[in-house]
Amino acid sequence: SYEVTQPPSVSVSAGQTASITCSGDKLGDKLAAWYQQKPGQSPVLIIYQDTRRPTGIPARFSGSNSGNTATLTISGTQAMDEADYYCQAWDDSNVIFGGGTKLTVL
Amino acid sequence: QLHLQESGPRLVKPSETLSLICTVSGDSVTSSSHFWGWIRQPPGKGLQWIGNIYYGQTTYYNPSLESRITISVDTSKNQFSLRLSSVTAADTAMYYCARRGTWQFDLWGRGTLVTVSS
Repeated sequence: SYEVTQPPSVSVSAGQTASITCSGDKLGDKLAAWYQQKPGQSPVLIIYQDTRRPTGIPARFSGSNSGNTATLTISGTQAMDEADYYCQAWDDSNVIFGGGTKLTVL
Repeated sequence: QLHLQESGPRLVKPSETLSLICTVSGDSVTSSSHFWGWIRQPPGKGLQWIGNIYYGQTTYYNPSLESRITISVDTSKNQFSLRLSSVTAADTAMYYCARRGTWQFDLWGRGTLVTVSS
């Protein structure tokens, strides 16, 4: 079955750029989405169709997807961005989630 | 206002069937524009897709759970439901209902924690 892999944790200093990767075989041929989940809250869609941001999501969040890797980039990371981030892709009709990455803002 | 709300028993005994309902406000569970789905998250762990239903009838299930899952809709109440049979402690999780667009889940309920224990 298809799998996507994320690093368990990423640390970034406040104001710097954070990059979270999601790796899977030929992931660039599929569409990726990203979700942010803060403690005790439901996931929130922050990137869909590789690069698109839903209304209300700050422009500091951006996405890309090429080859075997989709990347979520947070520019000018803020303390409020500290959260778990999940990538999501598709395999046939099945939804695949990555294992999640905990972003720590130092 | 668009809103999803999960409801159902919070405690289920091993080997029994877990049943949850998602009540949808502000959209229709028979909409041709959206799918409606269930995702779960064991305590301290990641997200696992359970399944989706489209247009009130077409279902898509996680292959690893397919033999135990049924997702259906009640159009009269604008609700969709999840039934997961033969539960074990491994099925203890926060269960979310969510609306799915073409490729992504754009709206989630607040979730309900279901514990499997005798």
